[in-house]
Amino acid sequence: NAGVTQTPKFQVLKTGQSMTLQCAQDMNHNSMYWYRQDPGMGLRLIYYSASEGTTDKGEVPNGYNVSRLNKREFSLRLESAAPSQTSVYFCASSEVWGSKETQYFGPGTRLLVL
Amino acid sequence: RKEVEQDPGPFNVPEGATVAFNCTYSNSASQSFFWYRQDCRKEPKLLMSVYSSGNEDGRFTAQLNRASQYISLLIRDSKLSDSATYLCVVNGGSQGNLIFGKGTKLSVKP
Repeated sequence: NAGVTQTPKFQVLKTGQSMTLQCAQDMNHNSMYWYRQDPGMGLRLIYYSASEGTTDKGEVPNGYNVSRLNKREFSLRLESAAPSQTSVYFCASSEVWGSKETQYFGPGTRLLVL
Repeated sequence: RKEVEQDPGPFNVPEGATVAFNCTYSNSASQSFFWYRQDCRKEPKLLMSVYSSGNEDGRFTAQLNRASQYISLLIRDSKLSDSATYLCVVNGGSQGNLIFGKGTKLSVKP
């Protein structure tokens, strides 16, 4: 099992460009998440999908959109990148959405917006 | 009060030392507690869950004090390979999601 995979690993964008970060998991998990991690900050939830067919905003959703393509895949789109979106983005999944969840993380995408 | 607070460190300790990390959380309704480990430029990985009665996994011991809303992680006989950032994680965000602390950095020296 590959677990959670993310592409790309690194990306440099110019302000205003768009891109989609891809995430896939092979653990048959129902719930998937997108986080961003900035220096001196904890992981912050951008969007999540509690189950296939549903998506909801997290703590910092502005400037992002998501698509739960199927049970395996959850993509994050930046429509018009801004320097404030320079960050490390982690995708995660868990078996269920609930209080006992353990989340499994992908290796991250390092994004630089110039 | 921030939702999950940790001492950022860094904690610089010699091999073989015992080191303790503390964490406080603000949501008294939180029910699930975890410690995650994050190596430099890597993803977070679950180290251990924290149970009400306290629990141990080898050299690692986690404790929970619900009355004080306080969680701790004790590492005994530190190894060089323990060098990492340790994240305190609590459920109870506005959507029932997990809230991550900023992490405590540990550096174990020879």
